[in-house]
Amino acid sequence: EIVLTQSPGTLSLSPGERATLSCRASQTVTTRSVAWYQQKPGQAPRLLIYAASRRATGIPDRFSGSGSGTDFTLTISRLEPEDFAVYYCQQFGMSSKYTFGQGTKLEIK
Amino acid sequence: QVQLMQSGAEVKKAGASVRLSCKIFGSTFNLHWVRQAPGQGFEWLGIINPSGGGTIYAQKFQGRFTLTRDTSTSTVYMELSSLRPEDTAKYYCTSEPAHESWYFDYWGQGTLVTVSS
Repeated sequence: EIVLTQSPGTLSLSPGERATLSCRASQTVTTRSVAWYQQKPGQAPRLLIYAASRRATGIPDRFSGSGSGTDFTLTISRLEPEDFAVYYCQQFGMSSKYTFGQGTKLEIK
Repeated sequence: QVQLMQSGAEVKKAGASVRLSCKIFGSTFNLHWVRQAPGQGFEWLGIINPSGGGTIYAQKFQGRFTLTRDTSTSTVYMELSSLRPEDTAKYYCTSEPAHESWYFDYWGQGTLVTVSS
């Protein structure tokens, strides 16, 4: 099973700042299988990025994804108040197995 | 646009079974189930193709997790048997838009399942 490790666990930033969230896989993953989600308290996750770098429908262009191999990054260029939430990366691997990272909490500084 | 409407919260005793539903409005290629224990991350349980009925289950849940569908009502059902307290979680159905998309574009609101010992 491929393990996804997200860092940092918690990121404290102010609105207007740039956020960089990391997702590292325990082995090489297919770039096309990497996605990022945002989850706010009491809500279902919301798809932000798929295929590592493609923005989902309706997602603002301040969100961007990059990476390949074992290292993937979600960047939020200028934080808006509504961006403070928990972010998860996800991948699909062998044995038809989907796995998620443990999440990065983005909190207001 | 796809909407997924899930059934309501359930409270069960250990050893019992639970059956949850997910009604699909719109069209999706595959329907997955994912769960999130309180304050935790996500765990993938399995997938069903609502059209053909084909299923794949996570190895961890094989033998006690079953997905079925009713095409007449566009509803998918998941059943988890031999419940344990550690099965307490919010269960989500979520859609995969096309073959080998490998991501989840729409999510149901989630169903909380509480298992007591």
